Amino acid sequence: GESVGLHLPTLSVQEGDNSIINCAYSNSASDYFIWYKQESGKGPQFIIDIRSNMDKRQGQRVTVLLNKTVKHLSLQIAATQPGDSAVYFCAESPYTKLTFGGGTRLMVKP
Amino acid sequence: DAGVTQSPTHLIKTRGQHVTLRCSPISGHKSVSWYQQVLGQGPQFIFQYYEKEERGRGNFPDRFSARQFPNYSSELNVNALLLGDSALYLCASSTTGGPTEGQYFGPGTRLTVL
Repeated sequence: GESVGLHLPTLSVQEGDNSIINCAYSNSASDYFIWYKQESGKGPQFIIDIRSNMDKRQGQRVTVLLNKTVKHLSLQIAATQPGDSAVYFCAESPYTKLTFGGGTRLMVKP
Repeated sequence: DAGVTQSPTHLIKTRGQHVTLRCSPISGHKSVSWYQQVLGQGPQFIFQYYEKEERGRGNFPDRFSARQFPNYSSELNVNALLLGDSALYLCASSTTGGPTEGQYFGPGTRLTVL
């Protein structure tokens, strides 16, 4: 069935270090993937997306990598800041709905 | 430009009651989707609407219904509330709701059922 999962429920990093959040997906029909950031009490915030015909996409301080062979997605955050502390979700879109994983909490230590 | 707006921000109801949640999409977006997020989990898809037509429905009971208005705003209705309906209800909008379009979320409505 359709599912999106995350390998690590909590990731703790030192301020200034790079963060890598991983995600596995199971639906081969997914053509589109999005990473969201959700802070406590707020709705998910769109970070970056990638289509299945791409392997890598870069934004401001963030990079998403897609490995279709092993159905793996990762989000890299460069020079992690305290404001990056949040729960991160990957979502896949095989059709018109988004299927979310359970989330990874990123904690940034000063 | 204003983002997706939702009202109310918080709501407390008792079991058996009915609730209506409202959403206004980003200007220019014609598709609205609704998601339920229980504490500690990712959002779960409930409905998607485009041009006032239901385009998709998730695995939720018939107590959940929705509609979209000519101005593209939307309402989510839940009847006969259960304790398990307590959650953050999120609305997301996109241009046409296509499978390769970004969906942008509102702040959500926190529903508590007592």
